[in-house]
Order: sequence, then structure tokens, then C-alpha cells
Amino acid sequence: NAGVMQNPRHLVRRRGQEARLRCSPMKGHSHVYWYRQLPEEGLKFMVYLQKENIIDESGMPKERFSAEFPKEGPSILRIQQVVRGDSAAYFCASSSRLAGGTYNEQFFGPGTRLTVL
Amino acid sequence: AQSVAQPEDQVNVAEGNPLTVKCTYSVSGNPYLFWYVQYPNRGLQFLLKYITGDNLVKGSYGFEAEFNKSQTSFHLKKPSALVSDSALYFCAVRAGSGNTPLVFGKGTRLSVIA
Repeated sequence: NAGVMQNPRHLVRRRGQEARLRCSPMKGHSHVYWYRQLPEEGLKFMVYLQKENIIDESGMPKERFSAEFPKEGPSILRIQQVVRGDSAAYFCASSSRLAGGTYNEQFFGPGTRLTVL
Repeated sequence: AQSVAQPEDQVNVAEGNPLTVKCTYSVSGNPYLFWYVQYPNRGLQFLLKYITGDNLVKGSYGFEAEFNKSQTSFHLKKPSALVSDSALYFCAVRAGSGNTPLVFGKGTRLSVIA
């Protein structure tokens, strides 16, 4: 069973360009989370999605950032018109729902390191 | 609001000695507590979790953590440190059993010296 997959692992963009980050959850997981890690800091929650639905986007910047998790294919985190402050590591995690309604721990992908020049 | 504090940015320990990485939390309701480890340029690896039951939780690679409700702490421990344990350790909390996002501490960098 492959783990959470993210690509690309490294992404370089110039200011004003668009960045697209992809995440394929573990097999059988239908819950996806995106986190951002700035240098020397912990992870900050951005958005939580289930298939075709955004459940919680309270951590997402209001402008330029969007996320989707379509019925088919990976989850996409999209950053439009990138700025230098967007440079960070972006991690995706997935989890499954257990019998009885509780949720399992989150499993993380290797991350995408975005550098904005 | 939920929060996690890891009071030490850096912990240094000699190989073979016991190690402790501290974590305190604040949450409304029952806490679900987690420890993750991050190696350089890698994602986070799950170490262990506390949901309910025995306050001493055993996890991967010989790590364990003790849940202390009165002190709202969940310190990570290992009886004998290895050089390969050197990494960045994150404590995280989630309120209850719902699928709410994790709230992470800032991380503690552990260095095990041979």
C-alpha cells in the first residue's frame, strides 16, 4: 500500500506565476488535509477536504489560494500569482474514517518545497 | 482554541542516555494527542498517539509518551537514545474524535551525540 504521494517534490516559480501542488492520498483514505511549514516553524493547517467537498478552509489565505479534491484524481493546491512569502514546504496528509465514526491518525506525504524567486 | 507548546527548541542528549521531549497542550474537551518525527527534507512520520485508556503509550522505534491530564502534558520519552533518533519532533493535538485538523507545536530539534 503506497503512502501519501505528493508531486512535484520541489517547485521553483517566479513571482507572479502559478503553482500547482498535487497530493494522492493513501489507498482507502477519503480525507485530505493541506498544511504549510515555514522555515523553523511547525505545520499550520490550511484546508481539509473530502471528495468533491471543502470541509474546512479556515487556514487558507483568502486570496490567491484554492484547493480541490475531485471525484477522480489527486487533490490540488493552487497558488496564483505567487509571492516570495509563499516559499515554504507544503504537506498533504490523509486519513480514513474508522467504524463507529472516529477517525484514524493522519499520514503525511513527503511534501512539496516551493521556492519563489 | 486548541494550542500546543513545546518549550524547548533544542534538546541535546548523549547516546545511550534517556531522552525527554516536552509537550503541553490546551484543548476544550477530550484531547487526542500525537507525536510525529521529521527527518531532514522528509515528511512527518507518525510515532504514537493517545486517544483513551492507559496513560503510558508505546510507539514506534522504542518511543513512548505519558499523558498527564492534571498537568496537560504529553512528554515523549525513550530509555536509551540513538544517534539515528536525531531529528525534529512535533507534538500535535486534536479535540475529540471528529476529523478536525491537527494543531502542531513548533517542534523540538533533538540531537543525540555519540
